Amino acid sequence: DQQVKQNSPSLSVQEGRISILNCDYTNSMFDYFLWYKKYPAEGPTFLISISSIKDKNEDGRFTVFLNKSAKHLSLHIVPSQPGDSAVYFCAASVNTGNQFYFGTGTSLTVIP
Amino acid sequence: DAGVIQSPRHEVTEMGQEVTLRCKPISGHNSLFWYRQTMMRGLELLIYFNNNVPIDDSGMPEDRFSAKMPNASFSTLKIQPSEPRDSAVYFCASSLVAGGPRYFGPGTRLTVT
Repeated sequence: DQQVKQNSPSLSVQEGRISILNCDYTNSMFDYFLWYKKYPAEGPTFLISISSIKDKNEDGRFTVFLNKSAKHLSLHIVPSQPGDSAVYFCAASVNTGNQFYFGTGTSLTVIP
Repeated sequence: DAGVIQSPRHEVTEMGQEVTLRCKPISGHNSLFWYRQTMMRGLELLIYFNNNVPIDDSGMPEDRFSAKMPNASFSTLKIQPSEPRDSAVYFCASSLVAGGPRYFGPGTRLTVT
């Protein structure tokens, strides 16, 4: 059973606008979350993390929001750029342990 | 730094053959992960090493799979005998700090016919 879900397989956004990628999880014990970006024929690239002691973490154009009560997190990219076009994965774990459960990914296309 | 290096990038083999995938982690990193990505199951952790010692191999699908890390700069994932359902992209990742795989290699695309 998929413990981490990304229900939108794809998303298209105009350049300069905000991209919002969503992720839901079922295990309430998850307390550490990662986002990755993946280009074709490459491995995932770590983007940003968040611990459950926070509800927001920001790094440049990337912000991750965590809603523990809803078991939901989202990645905001502002402003979106064509180079952001990639597949984005969220992942979750318990106690920053190394068993991370990945979502199935959302393919983002930023239209110039 | 060259990043995490994996070889080969592509492997096509026949069912029943032995397959060996190789990984060189980033120098100085003490955690190494093997993941498998398939359309059906997404990214799954197969095994994780810390300081060359296997810590969690619960994701290794069956006895046909084995992984070794003889030293800090090299790891192998072996499948013997291979089966068509093993066809997937296999990623190696390494990290310096706790908190999951931070640096992934480019992956090995394995096709078993």
